[in-house]
Amino acid sequence: EPEVTQTPSHQVTQMGQEVILRCVPISNHLYFYWYRQILGQKVEFLVSFYNNEISEKSEIFDDQFSVERPDGSNFTLKIRSTKLEDSAMYFCASRSQGAGNQPQHFGDGTRLSIL
Amino acid sequence: AQSVTQPDIHITVSEGASLELRCNYSYGATPYLFWYVQSPGQGLQLLLKYFSGDTLVQGIKGFEAEFKRSQSSFNLRKPSVHWSDAAEYFCAVGGRRDDKIIFGKGTRLHILP
Repeated sequence: EPEVTQTPSHQVTQMGQEVILRCVPISNHLYFYWYRQILGQKVEFLVSFYNNEISEKSEIFDDQFSVERPDGSNFTLKIRSTKLEDSAMYFCASRSQGAGNQPQHFGDGTRLSIL
Repeated sequence: AQSVTQPDIHITVSEGASLELRCNYSYGATPYLFWYVQSPGQGLQLLLKYFSGDTLVQGIKGFEAEFKRSQSSFNLRKPSVHWSDAAEYFCAVGGRRDDKIIFGKGTRLHILP
């Protein structure tokens, strides 16, 4: 069964450094998402992306965050200057555009640790 | 405001026993409802979904859930749990006009041998 893949599985970064989290969505999917889960807390929506532009973003997704689909397969999340509170598990998700609605399929996540 | 409440943070059941995980939602329009499962160190796997139609939905791994509009609930059930069902379970809500998914805080399921 097709999967959403995320790399790396664990990223350790110094505070203030830039970090790029990578995702390869399922190949025929058109809608892409990033969520995060701070340790012990619930999964929170960050941003949705469709047709090469952001569809919606949460208040968490400030100007330190950006997303990009640089080619036909990758979908990236960049954090420009990381803060300690950015430490979390980041999940990428994608869904297709089928008849009716389609569920989002999630990757295994990237654990981001900011030192 | 849109929200999902999972009132039980931890649930412990014996292997072979039945299971029900509770979920209540608040959503201003017709909801789409989901249950995801997360095993330790793993991602979120979709167990089942409700978009419309039959309010009792069947999912993978023998799970089912029932949508009750009058109670704003979408409880997850399994008649007989297996040790491999030990994981964290997340209820979530979305909608036709709202592409993002809102998650509950999760219920961690422990299985006694």
